Amino acid sequence: EAEVAQSPRYKITEKSQAVAFWCDPISGHATLYWYRQILGQGPELLVQFQDESVVDDSQLPKDRFSAERLKGVDSTLKIQPAELGDSAMYLCASRRGGMETQYFGPGTRLLVL
Amino acid sequence: GQQLNQSPQSMFIQEGEDVSMNCTSSSIFNTWLWYKQDPGEGPVLLIALYKAGELTSNGRLTAQFGITRKDSFLNISASIPSDVGIYFCAGLGGYQKVTFGIGTKLQVIP
Repeated sequence: EAEVAQSPRYKITEKSQAVAFWCDPISGHATLYWYRQILGQGPELLVQFQDESVVDDSQLPKDRFSAERLKGVDSTLKIQPAELGDSAMYLCASRRGGMETQYFGPGTRLLVL
Repeated sequence: GQQLNQSPQSMFIQEGEDVSMNCTSSSIFNTWLWYKQDPGEGPVLLIALYKAGELTSNGRLTAQFGITRKDSFLNISASIPSDVGIYFCAGLGGYQKVTFGIGTKLQVIP
């Protein structure tokens, strides 16, 4: 069964450093999402891509976060510089066109010291 | 960002008991989704609901799309230890935007 792949699974960094997360959606899924999940809360959308285009990045802190999906397949989410409050689980999800259901990857757990 | 209200926020039940949880919103949604998340993992889709009033089952799970389109319910029958986890509802609105609930943490006592 096809799955959304994410790496790394865990990342520890010091504040002010740069971090990057990678996501490979299920093959054929045109829509890709990045979510941030703080412990004890539900996922919150950071950015949504349709193919290579950003559809919604209204909740993305653009002063330090950036996301790209250059070829409309895999995607990278970057934080520079990382802050203590960025410690969270970063989840990637994908969805096939015409279908409502999103499928999530295992997430990257980030700890900023 | 906005998060939907889920209740209860946590519950302890005895193995074999039935479980009910619900999700409410101030906004109307076109689709309701229910996910389960195990510690350190991403959410896994359990049930998707597409029409107001729809009742859908998946094994021991049953979910309903409220007729007002502002709420949804999830029931788990005859709970087992592997049902432990956090259950999230999610509403899908305009432009395919998904809003998640705050989660219901379920603990099953063997």
